[in-house]
Amino acid sequence: QVQLVQSGAEVKKPGASVKVSCKASGYTFSSYGISWVRQAPGQGLEWMGWISPYSGNTNYAQKLQGRVTMTTDTSTSTAYMELRSLRSDDTALYYCARRQYTYGTYYFDYWGQGTLVTVSS
Amino acid sequence: DIQMTQSPSSLSASLGDRVTITCRASQSISTYLNWYQQKPGKAPKLLIYAASSLQSGVPSRFSGSGAVTDFTLTISSLQPEDFATYYCQQSYSTPRTFGPGTKVDI
Repeated sequence: QVQLVQSGAEVKKPGASVKVSCKASGYTFSSYGISWVRQAPGQGLEWMGWISPYSGNTNYAQKLQGRVTMTTDTSTSTAYMELRSLRSDDTALYYCARRQYTYGTYYFDYWGQGTLVTVSS
Repeated sequence: DIQMTQSPSSLSASLGDRVTITCRASQSISTYLNWYQQKPGKAPKLLIYAASSLQSGVPSRFSGSGAVTDFTLTISSLQPEDFATYYCQQSYSTPRTFGPGTKVDI
């Protein structure tokens, strides 16, 4: 069965960087994109960007451009999301999700369990 | 960016009720609209994609409709496990924006 298993919670100081991993299993990793979505405490969902494990192509949300980097390691079926220059408003639960493509549309059909990143001095 | 709005922001309902949640896009998105359910402390779960296609394994009491800018998620008979927050999301263009959510409780 398809599973996305994320790395554990992180506590970082303002200005630091964090790298969250997402290990996929149960499907051909390179055949599906991976998106990252975050959720601040008590808030809604925010799309951060997407990466194709096949090509390495990425598409980042404009507000995170320059601070976020998404990568993949196809040898271990793992996706990574690095966020730099952390601020307090980056405190959130970070999810990876598999991007499915059907009938000409994209959607997120499997999600990781989430990784809590807390930014605090 | 395409802005998504949802109404109501929250609603109270009883078991067996028919529940309707509305989602509106700030511009035409054809039928590039998905619905997710999120329970506290859990990751979102896909319910509906392409406005009206039911994801495999999702109960048939969930249905979606709409096109262009106006969309609806309907739960035909509310069950105990349906109390959750529901989000719409457009997949017409990036950034893939989500609506603010609709919380369904008792």
